[in-house]
Parts: sequence; C-alpha cells; structure tokens
Amino acid sequence: EDQVTQSPEALRLQEGESSSLNCSYTVSGLRGLFWYRQDPGKGPEFLFTLYSAGEEKEKERLKATLTKKESFLHITAPKPEDSATYLCAVTPGGKLIFGQGTELSVKP
Amino acid sequence: GAVVSQHPSWVICKSGTSVKIECRSLDFQATTMFWYRQFPKQSLMLMATSNEGSKATYEQGVEKDKFLINHASLTLSTLTVTSAHPEDSSFYICSARSGSGTGELFFGEGSRLTVL
Repeated sequence: EDQVTQSPEALRLQEGESSSLNCSYTVSGLRGLFWYRQDPGKGPEFLFTLYSAGEEKEKERLKATLTKKESFLHITAPKPEDSATYLCAVTPGGKLIFGQGTELSVKP
Repeated sequence: GAVVSQHPSWVICKSGTSVKIECRSLDFQATTMFWYRQFPKQSLMLMATSNEGSKATYEQGVEKDKFLINHASLTLSTLTVTSAHPEDSSFYICSARSGSGTGELFFGEGSRLTVL
C-alpha cells in the first residue's frame, strides 16, 4: 500500500535555528515527490517537485532532497514567516498521496 | 505559477440543503482536477478525481450520491454536497494539474463549509 509518513508532527524553532523535516514513503513506482506549504485556512502552496534519488532543489531558505526511501526539507536560518504546515506528497501516477504534515513554528 | 480559483471561500448552510463549490483553472486547461477534504489538524484526503467530459472516479468510502462532481469544461469542475448534514462540515480543496503526467499540481484556496 502506498504510504507517506512525515516527522516530526510539530517543530518549534527559534529564528535562525536551522533544522530538517522528514518525509518517508513507500510507493509502487515513484513518479514524483512534492512538497507544499499550507497556511491556516488556505490551500497548499506548491514548493518543489523531486523525481529521482539524488535530486535537490532550493528556494530561498528551503532545500529539498530525495533518496529512494525518504525526502528531507532543510530550513536554513528560518524566519517567523516560515511558520506553516509543510506537506509532503507522492504520486505513483495521477493522484497525490499526502503525509499528515509537519507544523512548523518559528519564534522571533 | 498557475492559478486555481475556488468559490465560495466559505459557506454556511442549513442541514438538508445542497451546496455547490466551483473550481476553476484560470490560466491553463486542466483535463483532470482533484477534490480533497481536510479536517482540522489533519492532512488532505483525496475524495475524487474529476475528468473532463466523463464521470468522476471516487475514492473508496466516498459516497457518489452525496458528493456530486461535474467537470463540464477544461477550466471548471464543481462539487455539490447534496442534502448536507453537520458531519459534512469541512474544508474542501480542489486542485488541477498543469500539463500532463506528473506535472505540478496547483491548489485552490479552499472552501470552508459549515452545516448547521
């Protein structure tokens, strides 16, 4: 069964304190792994797509990496405006299967 | 990036009434759209895949007669919650794929439904 598990469920950081979010997956034929950011009461905002192990993508303070079993979202020197829920999703083709998300809180 | 618009963003209705939520892709054509449901503090659960010009494909456990989906054009899909009850209260989000295959999936802003 295709499955996505994110950890930790919640993460509290001080401004400037770098950390990583984990997304572990099992899927029958990965066709893509996606990271989204979701603010309360809003739809998810697309961040990255990764397609193959070893691939990395960066956007401002965020960097996503992918291995054959998991993906990491590294946050370097986070700011309070980075506070949000970060969702990971995989697709074996067509629909997306989401993890439960990591709720990130960055305090000034 | 691509824009997906949902309307209404929030709606309150009485139990027993039906509510329609629209999802539009504003700057691209989407042959496939997806409808998700999200409960507080939980992740997105796929309800159905909406295919332009054909019947929607529903996920296991989703009532087809309760959640009617119509995808009449390449830019519009609608979700109608029929005879809504308080347990149908939730955050409904649509998404549309830009391009084919595994292209990026863009999400609408979501629609908050409250059934009294």
